[in-house]
Amino acid sequence: DGGITQSPKYLFRKEGQNVTLSCEQNLNHDAMYWYRQDPGQGLRLIYYSQIVNDFQKGDIAEGYSVSREKKESFPLTVTSAQKNPTAFYLCASTNPAFDNEKLFFGSGTQLSVL
Amino acid sequence: RKEVEQDPGPFNVPEGATVAFNCTYSNSASQSFFWYRQDCRKEPKLLMSVYSSGNEDGRFTAQLNRASQYISLLIRDSKLSDSATYLCVVNQGGKLIFGQGTELSVKP
Repeated sequence: DGGITQSPKYLFRKEGQNVTLSCEQNLNHDAMYWYRQDPGQGLRLIYYSQIVNDFQKGDIAEGYSVSREKKESFPLTVTSAQKNPTAFYLCASTNPAFDNEKLFFGSGTQLSVL
Repeated sequence: RKEVEQDPGPFNVPEGATVAFNCTYSNSASQSFFWYRQDCRKEPKLLMSVYSSGNEDGRFTAQLNRASQYISLLIRDSKLSDSATYLCVVNQGGKLIFGQGTELSVKP
C-alpha cells in the first residue's frame, strides 16, 4: 500500500543533542513538507521541498535542517540550536499536478526533551 | 497579521445545530484552499477542497470569497462524531499554510 511512513513514533532528545526524524513516501510525490504542532495550536511549517535536491524554509525554520537527496525521503534534523523542540512533528507529501494538491500525512513523531 | 487566521474556538454546540467556521488569508495571490479535520493528536485528514463556485458534500458546505479573502465551512445537522479540530489550509505558490484550527465540540 502507498503512503508516508514517519519514524520513530516517540523520540527523546537530551540537551545539546541533534536528532533526526525520518519521513519516507512511496507515493511518487514531488512535494514534501514538515510541520510542527504544539498543544492546542495549528500546524506551523518548518521546511518544504517541491522537488528533489531543493527545499525552502517555512515560517519556523530556525534550529532545524533538512535534506532532499532522494524523491522518497525528506529527513528533518532538530539541532541543538532549537531551544524548545518538544512538539508533535508531522510530515506530508503531495503531487501538485494530481490529487488536487491533497496532502498525505504520516502518523507523526512526538519529540520530547529529557 | 498572520498569513492564515481562523475563528478562535472552542465551539460548543448541541447535536443537530448548524455551525460555521471562517478563515481569512492575507496573500491575495493564494491559489487553492482546503478544509482539514484533525482528531486528538492524529494526523489531519482532508475534509474538502474549496472551489470558487462553492461546493457541498453532504452536510458540509465550503465557500470562497476572493474579494474579501476568506473561506468558510458550514456544517449542518451536526453529529457527535463531528467533534474535532477544523483546520483551513491555503496554498501560496506551493507553500501550504495552516490556520491555527478551530475546535468543535458537539454535545448530546
